[in-house]
Amino acid sequence: GAVVSQHPSRVICKSGTSVKIECRSLDFQATTMFWYRQFPKKSLMLMATSNEGSKATYEQGVEKDKFLINHASLTLSTLTVTSAHPEDSSFYICSANRDFSYNEQFFGPGTRLTVL
Amino acid sequence: GNSVTQMEGPVTLSEEAFLTINCTYTATGYPSLFWYVQYPGEGLQLLLKATKADDKGSNKGFEATYRKETTSFHLEKGSVQVSDSAVYFCALRAVGTGGGADGLTFGKGTHLIIQP
Repeated sequence: GAVVSQHPSRVICKSGTSVKIECRSLDFQATTMFWYRQFPKKSLMLMATSNEGSKATYEQGVEKDKFLINHASLTLSTLTVTSAHPEDSSFYICSANRDFSYNEQFFGPGTRLTVL
Repeated sequence: GNSVTQMEGPVTLSEEAFLTINCTYTATGYPSLFWYVQYPGEGLQLLLKATKADDKGSNKGFEATYRKETTSFHLEKGSVQVSDSAVYFCALRAVGTGGGADGLTFGKGTHLIIQP
């Protein structure tokens, strides 16, 4: 199968601090990964497309300076929430496309971020 | 822009009942359509997909047919089981101008509860 992991699964931080979330494709290469945000009782919202070796592409309304994305290798993308505030509290989910197979995305289990 | 509308739950059915979860979409061009399922405490899993008009996706007794004329992709199952209790998301992937991978646009999700 195609497994995507996320770490940590839960994180609680103080307002003003930064938090890094990792997304790894465990058994396949992923040139492209995606970051989503899920609000309670609402759909997943695409935040950005993470491209290995190049800058991420952010969706309209997503602050690129607040949500830093780095795709350092073909199996790892990181999302850093900088200077976190309580309104950043949410469920963050990553997904990855297996290279050359664009019609299926494999999702990580998500990271619950709580900012106090 | 692209959007997906699906019936919001919770939808509560008895075991062996017939299930329909409606999904309609708005998109330019010819998107690929998906149903994802999220079981409690787990990440999203692809349930089925269809990539062109009149295609029928099927898996685990679930079916959905890509209807271009009604821009719909309704999910059906003839006889549901308690184990089908989960949140179901309809999603689309629009065809990007440059080809390659594109993020998904999701509906809000439908919480399905099957009672024994």
